[in-house]
Amino acid sequence: DVKVTQSSRYLVKRTGEKVFLECVQDMDHENMFWYRQDPGLGLRLIYFSYDVKMKEKGDIPEGYSVSREKKERFSLILESASTNQTSMYLCASSSQPGLAGVLEQFFGPGTRLTVL
Amino acid sequence: GIQVEQSPPDLILQEGANSTLRCNFSDSVNNLQWFHQNPWGQLINLFYIPSGTKQNGRLSATTVATERYSLLYISSSQTTDSGVYFCAARGFSGGYNKLIFGAGTRLAVHP
Repeated sequence: DVKVTQSSRYLVKRTGEKVFLECVQDMDHENMFWYRQDPGLGLRLIYFSYDVKMKEKGDIPEGYSVSREKKERFSLILESASTNQTSMYLCASSSQPGLAGVLEQFFGPGTRLTVL
Repeated sequence: GIQVEQSPPDLILQEGANSTLRCNFSDSVNNLQWFHQNPWGQLINLFYIPSGTKQNGRLSATTVATERYSLLYISSSQTTDSGVYFCAARGFSGGYNKLIFGAGTRLAVHP
């Protein structure tokens, strides 16, 4: 079974703090994703990575950065946390699209971040 | 980009009842997934079904790609089926397997 793990289930931080959210997958997937989920707004893509050290902005990258130094690990960084970044953060991974490739995405358990 | 719409937005069932959830998408897709979000917030994969029909226990799903819709069937519902069901799709023009999520159907199953 594919396993995607996230470093924390719940996190409370103060405004202005630097916050790291870690995601690890064990299926040798090329693609990894960070989403946030907010009531009424659904799931929105923040950043994704298609290879080590490669990244692309999603729909709402402002205020976030990412790091992918190893294939299995994808980190989301809030450089200076703000209250409007209070949200549920979900990490996902999938294999690379290919001629016969399955594109199924698998999600981690999520991190509920509260910024005070 | 592709748009994904789910219906109904809310559904209340008595335990044992059957239900059908619908997902419409605006363009051809090469990825269509159904998820169940549990009370703790985790998205559980139910089906990867860009076309055809699949069954897993009391759940089954059908995607009619040519008509741009997918259906999730829940039979003999149980209280543990409660939660939010999401449909998500990737269009052929979408890059790097970017999934677009519908707004979800919130299901409550009462004993």
